[in-house]
Amino acid sequence: DGGITQSPKYLFRKEGQNVTLSCEQNLNHDAMYWYRQDPGQGLRLIYYSQIVNDFQKGDIAEGYSVSREKKESFPLTVTSAQKNPTAFYLCASSPGLAGVETQYFGPGTRLLVL
Amino acid sequence: AQSVTQPDIHITVSEGASLELRCNYSYGATPYLFWYVQSPGQGLQLLLKYFSGDTLVQGIKGFEAEFKRSQSSFNLRKPSVHWSDAAEYFCAVGGYSSASKIIFGSGTRLSIRP
Repeated sequence: DGGITQSPKYLFRKEGQNVTLSCEQNLNHDAMYWYRQDPGQGLRLIYYSQIVNDFQKGDIAEGYSVSREKKESFPLTVTSAQKNPTAFYLCASSPGLAGVETQYFGPGTRLLVL
Repeated sequence: AQSVTQPDIHITVSEGASLELRCNYSYGATPYLFWYVQSPGQGLQLLLKYFSGDTLVQGIKGFEAEFKRSQSSFNLRKPSVHWSDAAEYFCAVGGYSSASKIIFGSGTRLSIRP
């Protein structure tokens, strides 16, 4: 089955700790995205990548970092600089440009701070 | 600036009744418009999208939406809702002028009254 997987489903972070969220897709899509979702708000773009070894900051990139070493994988690191990381994180991919193509979403990772 | 407004935060509809969810957008060029649905604790799934042609768009699960350029609206409709339609619905706008990303509305939560 083709799709996007995210792991873990729940993640707990201690103060001052970096944590990494995994996102893998087997849809052969070029573009991948990370969104943050808070209650009562829409999705806000953290980072996106249109091609391997290249990525761009979204609207709320501060305190986050990404890498895109493989087409299938786009991990997100939430660093200690992100002071309010508690949220639901969604990874997505699309065959081309997000502005005109359908995005396919993973099931999400809920990050909680201890 | 590009933006999407979903004026209804929460709507409750009786099972079998008709549904209309409102979406207004602001976009400087030809918009690509999307409706996504999110079940609790899950990722998003595309219901339908519009980019040109017939202004009445049919989607999955019996949903349809009508693009009205004069009103900058893209309202989602369903003639008869089912209990399984209870979810959060997001309208989004994109296009070639913002080709790398789309803007999501803040969502409308739909509850179904038995």
